[in-house]
Amino acid sequence: GDSVTQMEGPVTLSEEAFLTINCTYTATGYPSLFWYVQYPGEGLQLLLKATKADDKGSNKGFEATYRKETTSFHLEKGSVQVSDSAVYFCALSYSGNTGKLIFGQGTTLQVKP
Amino acid sequence: GAVVSQHPSWVICKSGTSVKIECRSLDFQATTMFWYRQFPKQSLMLMATSNEGSKATYEQGVEKDKFLINHASLTLSTLTVTSAHPEDSSFYICSAGEQPQHFGDGTRLSIL
Repeated sequence: GDSVTQMEGPVTLSEEAFLTINCTYTATGYPSLFWYVQYPGEGLQLLLKATKADDKGSNKGFEATYRKETTSFHLEKGSVQVSDSAVYFCALSYSGNTGKLIFGQGTTLQVKP
Repeated sequence: GAVVSQHPSWVICKSGTSVKIECRSLDFQATTMFWYRQFPKQSLMLMATSNEGSKATYEQGVEKDKFLINHASLTLSTLTVTSAHPEDSSFYICSAGEQPQHFGDGTRLSIL
């Protein structure tokens, strides 16, 4: 079946450091890929998405490229801030499937001043 | 602003009580909504797909009689945790919309 795997956390970085959170997927078809962010005590917010191979999603300095050859969708940011501290979820979904999402296990990011 | 509203945000109740959680789409119609459960420091687990005007579709291992879902209108789905017990304590999140899904802010349920 389809699945999403993320790197283990927590990831602890100093402010202005470079961030990479790895995400790989297993899919039987051609899904869209998403990164969601969850701040403490809140629901999930869409961070970025990519709908087909080689697409790059970007938002708020974060970016991720849909790599079909490596089945990956790694999240990157060049300079993190304390306010980026949150849990990040990688997910996939198929169009026409009413939006059902399959999530990775989540990666906690802690950014220290 | 929020496009999916979830209520209540936090509820504490005694064991044996039934608890209802509402999920509303604010500016769009949603024929399908999703209910997730999240344990501390874990990922979201899809519980069920709520379908307007028909029965919900439950994921394997989710008790239908325990978690009652009603999707009576195009903007409202409700999840009722019946006869809740401490092991039902969790963070419940709903979502709605086409790609991408929009999520509610979640409901923290604590059963004493």
